[in-house]
Amino acid sequence: NAGVTQTPKFQVLKTGQSMTLQCAQDMNHNSMYWYRQDPGMGLRLIYYSASEGTTDKGEVPNGYNVSRLNKREFSLRLESAAPSQTSVYFCASSADRGYTEAFFGQGTRLTVV
Amino acid sequence: KNEVEQSPQNLTAQEGEFITINCSYSVGISALHWLQQHPGGGIVSLFMLSSGKKKHGRLIATINIQEKHSSLHITASHPRDSAVYICAVTGGGGADGLTFGKGTHLIIQP
Repeated sequence: NAGVTQTPKFQVLKTGQSMTLQCAQDMNHNSMYWYRQDPGMGLRLIYYSASEGTTDKGEVPNGYNVSRLNKREFSLRLESAAPSQTSVYFCASSADRGYTEAFFGQGTRLTVV
Repeated sequence: KNEVEQSPQNLTAQEGEFITINCSYSVGISALHWLQQHPGGGIVSLFMLSSGKKKHGRLIATINIQEKHSSLHITASHPRDSAVYICAVTGGGGADGLTFGKGTHLIIQP
């Protein structure tokens, strides 16, 4: 029972490089989320997808794009990485928006130099 | 936007002690979540509640909707309970997804 799987676990990028963080869930959940976690701050919502085919901005969307490829997969893309995007990124899913239990991936530790 | 405040930020206790972590929020919610994050970073859901009280093993979570307040209790604490405990809420006028507190870093010493 894999739950929510994120890749990669660690990544170092140079400023200006691009990359895509992958996330997949095997629980048939409708809603998927990308959060970032920074020291001294709570997790913050970057983007979410309430259902297949829809995506919406969260609290801190600037510098990111997302794709809900199908019901299982929700990717996060950094087109031109900046040092301010150094963070730990978490993908999460829930059966139905925010009103059901949330399941989290193991996180991706991204450093932009 | 909902504001979620947790206290204390840091807590060190001896094995066996009764632990209480508090969470307050500013706007009415649909549900409140308690999460646990261990060193190494993974986050797991402990409880989701919208009223009353829930218990799982040595963990108890309560919520008072009128006072916009929740508590997480750990009875007979153990060093393996050492982790960051995070309160999060859903609903309350924001976007979909969770609004998080900053977490409580708990250390249980043997």
